[in-house]
Amino acid sequence: KQEVTQIPAALSVPEGENLVLNCSFTDSAIYNLQWFRQDPGKGLTSLLLIQSSQREQTSGRLNASLDKSSGRSTLYIAASQPGDSATYLCAVIPYSGAGSYQLTFGKGTKLSVIP
Amino acid sequence: DGGITQSPKYLFRKEGQNVTLSCEQNLNHDAMYWYRQDPGQGLRLIYYSQIVNDFQKGDIAEGYSVSREKKESFPLTVTSAQKNPTAFYLCASSIDGRYGYTFGSGTRLTVV
Repeated sequence: KQEVTQIPAALSVPEGENLVLNCSFTDSAIYNLQWFRQDPGKGLTSLLLIQSSQREQTSGRLNASLDKSSGRSTLYIAASQPGDSATYLCAVIPYSGAGSYQLTFGKGTKLSVIP
Repeated sequence: DGGITQSPKYLFRKEGQNVTLSCEQNLNHDAMYWYRQDPGQGLRLIYYSQIVNDFQKGDIAEGYSVSREKKESFPLTVTSAQKNPTAFYLCASSIDGRYGYTFGSGTRLTVV
């Protein structure tokens, strides 16, 4: 069964710092990997979707990479801002011979950016 | 704008009551999902549906029921058999489950 791990569970950085969030998964047979952001008491906001054939995706100050063979993804946030404070979730969509698909989530990294 | 609408935002349930959480999408997505989120436990899949009139149990389906009579709608009923229903419930959809997922803003259910 696919398992997704995110390290660290929590991270506190000063404003302006560049940072990396890590995600690892146990089975490399995936369709896609998606990074989400969740603010307290809110739903999930999609940040980046990396298809299995891609190596990375960029959106503004965010860059996500995918190394399927090693089962790893990283989310790079440049020039962090207090507004980036949130929980970041990584999720993969495993291959399914049964034709049913679902996200498997990590438990998230809680990021605090200190002004 | 296309998206997913969950209602109500807050819901209170008395012991022994069934309650229904609404999830509506106008993204023309085939696949819809219900997740439960508890502090420190991450998101857990309750039920999912890849096509109208068909749905499958997820990891924690006991005490819950769903229906999928229309493509746009996937309501979740929390029955009295669910002994610990207090949680944050999230609905999601995807074109066919293999590509990007869109989430609603959630419903917080509390037992009183």
